[in-house]
Amino acid sequence: GDSVTQMEGPVTLSEEAFLTINCTYTATGYPSLFWYVQYPGEGLQLLLKATKADDKGSNKGFEATYRKETTSFHLEKGSVQVSDSAVYFCALYLWDTGRRALTFGSGTRLQVQP
Amino acid sequence: EAGVAQSPRYKIIEKRQSVAFWCNPISGHATLYWYQQILGQGPKLLIQFQNNGVVDDSQLPKDRFSAERLKGVDSTLKIQPAKLEDSAVYLCASSLGTDEAFFGQGTRLTVV
Repeated sequence: GDSVTQMEGPVTLSEEAFLTINCTYTATGYPSLFWYVQYPGEGLQLLLKATKADDKGSNKGFEATYRKETTSFHLEKGSVQVSDSAVYFCALYLWDTGRRALTFGSGTRLQVQP
Repeated sequence: EAGVAQSPRYKIIEKRQSVAFWCNPISGHATLYWYQQILGQGPKLLIQFQNNGVVDDSQLPKDRFSAERLKGVDSTLKIQPAKLEDSAVYLCASSLGTDEAFFGQGTRLTVV
């Protein structure tokens, strides 16, 4: 079945450090890929998305590139802030199946220390 | 634009009791989802509606869970009877039928 695998957390970084959170996927078709973020006590918010190979999604300094050859969509940020502390979820969406819903990874908690 | 509204935010019940959650999607969104998020895991789809019809309920434990979306707008998710393993956050999301879904803040259920 379709699935998403993320690196386990927590990831603990100092402010202004470089961030990478790995995400790989398995899909029967050609998915759209997403990163969602969940701040403490809040719901999931869309952070960025990419819909085809080699597309780069970006938002708030975060970036991720859709790599079809490695079935990956790693999240990166050049300089993290304390306010980036949250749980990050990688997800996929398949258009060409009857079930058109997001499939999520298990999430990666990011803790940024001042 | 108002977001997805869910209530209650928190609920504590004893096992074998029943509980219901309510969701009001973004106006005009035909697609509505209920997800279950167990602590430390990613959200798992329970049921998906298109207007007031069920598109996918393959992962809904139908012996105890039920959901409805009357008139194609609001939705309720019910658990009866609850088990300890049902402790989770229940997330409602809605979409215009595209790949982008908008999530509510969720209802945190604790079964004791």
